[in-house]
Amino acid sequence: DAGVIQSPRHEVTEMGQEVTLRCKPISGHNSLFWYRQTMMRGLELLIYFNNNVPIDDSGMPEDRFSAKMPNASFSTLKIQPSEPRDSAVYFCASTTLRGAHEQYFGPGTRLTVT
Amino acid sequence: AQKVTQAQTEISVVEKEDVTLDCVYETRDTTYYLFWYKQPPSGELVFLIRRNSFDEQNEISGRYSWNFQKSTSSFNFTITASQVVDSAVYFCAPRGGIFGAGTRLFVKA
Repeated sequence: DAGVIQSPRHEVTEMGQEVTLRCKPISGHNSLFWYRQTMMRGLELLIYFNNNVPIDDSGMPEDRFSAKMPNASFSTLKIQPSEPRDSAVYFCASTTLRGAHEQYFGPGTRLTVT
Repeated sequence: AQKVTQAQTEISVVEKEDVTLDCVYETRDTTYYLFWYKQPPSGELVFLIRRNSFDEQNEISGRYSWNFQKSTSSFNFTITASQVVDSAVYFCAPRGGIFGAGTRLFVKA
């Protein structure tokens, strides 16, 4: 099994630019999570999908952030326009049943907005 | 409301010492799972163990052991004879999306 795949692994962009992060969950997993990790705020849940449907997006910081899951094998997290405070490591994770089964995390995308 | 607390921000030990990481999960749920994850300096997050609220039996896996006590809402993790490779941040997570603040463990040679 390839595990959760995220791309790109590193992204450096200028303030105001659009950023798109991508995630491919483990095949057969029906729950997908996007997290953001910073030194100041720790690991924060941004959004959670179940069977491709967004269930909880209360963690999305503001309208500049949007996430989609068009099918069971692909999800995107978009930031438009990006700001320096968006600099963080963004993780995608998947699992078979939220709350009962462990999550498998991707390697993360380190985003730097200058 | 649910609350997960990892009161220890950082712990520093010398190699071969035993170390216990604390986690308290407060919830009104009667059934739930608890998870521990490890994040080494390389940055990836790795699942370590899952326990359910019905099972308070301690579990041992090599140098790792877990003690879950529902009466005190605690799910503690002990590393016996710590090694430098155990240096990492350890997260307690009640369920998907909810993570404690993490405990950073430094093991010095």
